[in-house]
Amino acid sequence: AQKITQTQPGMFVQEKEAVTLDCTYDTSDPSYGLFWYKQPSSGEMIFLIYQGSYDQQNATEGRYSLNFQKARKSANLVISASQLGDSAMYFCAMREDSGYSTLTFGKGTMLLVSP
Amino acid sequence: NAGVTQTPKFQVLKTGQSMTLQCAQDMNHEYMSWYRQDPGMGLRLIHYSVGAGITDQGEVPNGYNVSRSTTEDFPLRLLSAAPSQTSVYFCASSYSYDRGRNEQFFGPGTRLTVL
Repeated sequence: AQKITQTQPGMFVQEKEAVTLDCTYDTSDPSYGLFWYKQPSSGEMIFLIYQGSYDQQNATEGRYSLNFQKARKSANLVISASQLGDSAMYFCAMREDSGYSTLTFGKGTMLLVSP
Repeated sequence: NAGVTQTPKFQVLKTGQSMTLQCAQDMNHEYMSWYRQDPGMGLRLIHYSVGAGITDQGEVPNGYNVSRSTTEDFPLRLLSAAPSQTSVYFCASSYSYDRGRNEQFFGPGTRLTVL
């Protein structure tokens, strides 16, 4: 079974609107971390936001917020006020804290922001 | 700080050739890892290291070797290149492998083609 599932291969949003990118995960480890990375067309991987499994509040980093629903095992990324520069591939990843904390990535969602 | 550097940026090999992808970081990070990115597959972990002299296999280790003789360097060796190893390779590092944020910082990637 996949550990990280991103069901939206592609998403379209208009500039200045908000968009939600979905991510569900599967783990039996009580301690884990969830990450979102952005990959623009230039290819680099850019860290956006982190949520720990024991964090009581949803994480926020500027225009990015993580809608963390632990019981549903979902960690959706919300981008408010989309900008043209937000057009990129977005990856959700999980790190299970037992063992050596390796990252498992989803297959990604391509976001296109139109003017 | 240069962050995580990778060389070369592009490489073309013939089947059966060997080569080493170089990765270095100047942030005194304990944890380093190698991923490959294939279309529609996200990033998959090849090998990782939790410190100098300590390495372990990830999800897709076959055909690759690693070593970590210093904290800074983590080279990836292709022993006998195969067309299935055509991919984009990313090196990443993080301060530690402990629980908590410890986000991974990625290098710019190496695009490898095996003919």
